[in-house]
Amino acid sequence: GAVVSQHPSWVICKSGTSVKIECRSLDFQATTMFWYRQFPKQSLMLMATSNEGSKATYEQGVEKDKFLINHASLTLSTLTVTSAHPEDSSFYICSAPISGGAPDTQYFGPGTRLTVL
Amino acid sequence: QKEVEQNSGPLSVPEGAIASLNCTYSDRGSQSFFWYRQYSGKSPELIMSIYSNGDKEDGRFTAQLNKASQYVSLLIRDSQPSDSATYLCAVRTGSARQLTFGSGTQLTVLP
Repeated sequence: GAVVSQHPSWVICKSGTSVKIECRSLDFQATTMFWYRQFPKQSLMLMATSNEGSKATYEQGVEKDKFLINHASLTLSTLTVTSAHPEDSSFYICSAPISGGAPDTQYFGPGTRLTVL
Repeated sequence: QKEVEQNSGPLSVPEGAIASLNCTYSDRGSQSFFWYRQYSGKSPELIMSIYSNGDKEDGRFTAQLNKASQYVSLLIRDSQPSDSATYLCAVRTGSARQLTFGSGTQLTVLP
């Protein structure tokens, strides 16, 4: 099946620094990718929809200036957490539906665990 | 009111028993329903999808959908310790491609 990778798988950073997380579709093209955040013992919450060649669509309550999303190609979306704070520590997961495929066929990346000290 | 609700559990069943997981959703326009399994520290993996009323079986897993009651369930037969995980119910509504997840039910299968 289709594969989505994320890099890094985990990252520890100091408060106030920025962290970039990459999401790649390895064997298919994805014009749309989704970024989720999951806090411990909680479910996945959609943060934003990343659109290739256009601006991302952010969910209510998600600061677009803090969580910068760039979907520069059909296989790569990046999420940059700017000026990270300890409350940003979470598990970040991306997913991608196959372009032109059934909208329900989404493939999840393995996730990136961010710890902000 | 949450859009997708699940009993948080934890739910414990003995090995070999049937585990029953339930989910309700609020939007009658919801069209697609999914069950994901998530092991601790890992991302979700798709177990079942269901789109029409009734039952859908895949191996030891059976998904049941009742749109009139806005209810979807997952049955796991002959539960194994390796089935111990958090099970997430997800719903897609309308033309949106994104999924809305429930809070998950933690299942423990006791050897």
